[in-house]
Amino acid sequence: SQQGEEDPQALSIQEGENATMNCSYKTSINNLQWYRQNSGRGLVHLILIRSNEREKHSGRLRVTLDTSKKSSSLLITASRAADTASYFCAEQAAGNKLTFGGGTRVLVKP
Amino acid sequence: EAGVTQFPSHSVIEKGQTVTLRCDPISGHDNLYWYRRVMGKEIKFLLHFVKESKQDESGMPNNRFLAERTGGTYSTLKVQPAELEDSGVYFCASSQHTTGQHRYTFGSGTRLTVV
Repeated sequence: SQQGEEDPQALSIQEGENATMNCSYKTSINNLQWYRQNSGRGLVHLILIRSNEREKHSGRLRVTLDTSKKSSSLLITASRAADTASYFCAEQAAGNKLTFGGGTRVLVKP
Repeated sequence: EAGVTQFPSHSVIEKGQTVTLRCDPISGHDNLYWYRRVMGKEIKFLLHFVKESKQDESGMPNNRFLAERTGGTYSTLKVQPAELEDSGVYFCASSQHTTGQHRYTFGSGTRLTVV
């Protein structure tokens, strides 16, 4: 899992399939955020889930948060070739800084 | 609105040289952050400015790194002298709110290669 490890580190799927990746964290968080990085580009904010939320949706994205297990998951439904990227979770605790995980590289094959 | 701009996008320098990276945050964003990702590792926090003040510089790896944000607008990150292990992608981000739930806008990063 992320926050040191990512689960999985890499994922290869066919277009139209769903992609699920997991993230674990260690501290008490204010929120957890997911970002995407396309090759050679910057980090794009995808979704933020607060510590008192359990699930959140944004388009084809679904994020869950389990604070008892200190884990989160990101599900991309009906994947497209354009979803090929690295995905990172980042925890935001008491301060403002983000603590990132190692990322999951997702390859969506057309 | 314009996004966070970083310059240069790529830089290749020799070990021992100096490099200065620049970040222009979104206008009006008081918070500016620097992060970096060295090869194969996680994205790590370097420091956080609130306007022109360093709020948190706990992630700065050593005194070869100097960050400034004169006037509370753009920021520079200078590496002097650069070492091989400094190679990686340096990201800048800005945000508007100081506390609570807020999202960051990241720049495209500067890819630094030290040879």
